[in-house]
Amino acid sequence: EVQLLESGGGLVQPGGSLRLSCAASGFTFSSYAMSWVRQAPGKGLEWVSGISGSGGNTYYADSVKGRFTISRDNSKNTLFLQMNSLRAEDTAVYYCAKGDYSILSWLDPWGQGTLVTVSS
Amino acid sequence: EIVMTQSPATLSVSPGERATLSCRASQSVSSDLAWYQQKPGQAPRLLIYGASTRATGIPARFSGSGSGTEFTLTISSLQSEDFAVYYCQQYNKWPPGTFGQGTKVEIK
Repeated sequence: EVQLLESGGGLVQPGGSLRLSCAASGFTFSSYAMSWVRQAPGKGLEWVSGISGSGGNTYYADSVKGRFTISRDNSKNTLFLQMNSLRAEDTAVYYCAKGDYSILSWLDPWGQGTLVTVSS
Repeated sequence: EIVMTQSPATLSVSPGERATLSCRASQSVSSDLAWYQQKPGQAPRLLIYGASTRATGIPARFSGSGSGTEFTLTISSLQSEDFAVYYCQQYNKWPPGTFGQGTKVEIK
């Protein structure tokens, strides 16, 4: 069974940093693209960042470009999202999700999410 | 950037009735369209990919259709567990993989 488990969320002050992790199991992690998607309280889904299976290609939404960095450790089956210069509008539940072999794919499954709150 | 527009925002349906949800893309996305279901406090769940292929374990009452810019998700006979928010997502052009704003299916 494919499982994704996020961690690392919490309360952080504006301008601060946070690193999210997503531990994957049940599939050949290095073969699949992965993405981070967030959902602000009471709002819809916003794709944040994606990474190819090898880690060689990364993609970002304009809203986080230059502030967030996606990476992966295929030896540890773990996906990361380094978030710097955090703003109040980054407050959301952050989900990691498994893509297909290509970065251009649907997302299945999704982790349970981790809440990031940016507030003073 | 491709914009995905879902309609209606809210759909009130009685159990056992048919529900039809729409998703429109601002430019063609071919058949690279997925549908997700999200219940309160839960992560989204993939229902449909490739515009019309049901994901593993998804009941046959869920069906998807369309291509290009117009797509439809149909729930043939609503069950109590189907009341949720539904999102469409295009994955034809990245970045980003854009989502629609969602349609809430509520009990009438």
